[in-house]
Amino acid sequence: EIVMTQSPATLSVSPGERATLSCRASQSVSSNLAWYQQKPGQAPRLLIYGASTRATGIPARFSGSGSGTEFTLTISSLQSEDFAVYYCQQYNNWPITFGQGTRLEIK
Amino acid sequence: QVQLQESGPGLVKPSQTLSLTCTVSGGSISSGNYYWTWFRQPAGKGLEWIGRIYTSGSTNYNPSLKSRVTISVDTSKNQFSLKLNSVTAADTAVYYCARDCSSQGIFDYWGQGTLVTVSS
Repeated sequence: EIVMTQSPATLSVSPGERATLSCRASQSVSSNLAWYQQKPGQAPRLLIYGASTRATGIPARFSGSGSGTEFTLTISSLQSEDFAVYYCQQYNNWPITFGQGTRLEIK
Repeated sequence: QVQLQESGPGLVKPSQTLSLTCTVSGGSISSGNYYWTWFRQPAGKGLEWIGRIYTSGSTNYNPSLKSRVTISVDTSKNQFSLKLNSVTAADTAVYYCARDCSSQGIFDYWGQGTLVTVSS
C-alpha cells in the first residue's frame, strides 16, 4: 500500500500568518490527493481534492498544490478556526491511505 | 443536507463481534453514484479505511481487515452496517461512516463518529 508521510508533525504559526503543510507519497499518486481538516471530537472535513480543487464552501485562503509524490497545503492567512489537525489522503490506489497528520497550533 | 449517524454498542468483549450501523438522512442511500464507507481512528492516531459498499451490494475491503470484515446495506432503512469479528484491544477506536462522492475515494459527508472500546 502507498505510505503517506506528512511534515512537520506539529506546526506553530501566529494568526494572520501563512501556514505551509507538506505531504509525500511513497509512490506517485498523480493528482489523486485530498486534504482534510479535523478538530478535536469532530469528524474530518474535506478541504481539497484533486490536489488543488477546493471542496464546496471551503474558503479561498486554503489552497493545494503538487502532483506525483509531493504535495502542499497552504493556508494564506490563518484564522482562529483553522487551528486543527490536517490529513492528506491518496485515492490513486486501493486501499486508500492517509498521512499521520500535521497538528497546526497557535504560536 | 445529507447527514450520517453511527450507532451501536460502545463496549465489545475480546473475541466477539463489533457491529455498527450508519443511518443516512437528508437523501436516499440509493440515489446518486455513491459508495458508503467505514473508517476508524485509534486515539491519537490517523485514519484507517475499513471498506465500502455500493447500493447494489458490491463491496471492497482493506486487505489488512478483509478476513474479519463484512459491510452490508439495507436500502429500505437507508442504512449500511459494519461487522468486525474476533476483535481485540487493537480494534479500539472511533469508527466513522462516510459518503464517497466520487466512487474514487473522496469523502464529502461524515458521521460524527462513535467510540468502540474492546475490553473484558
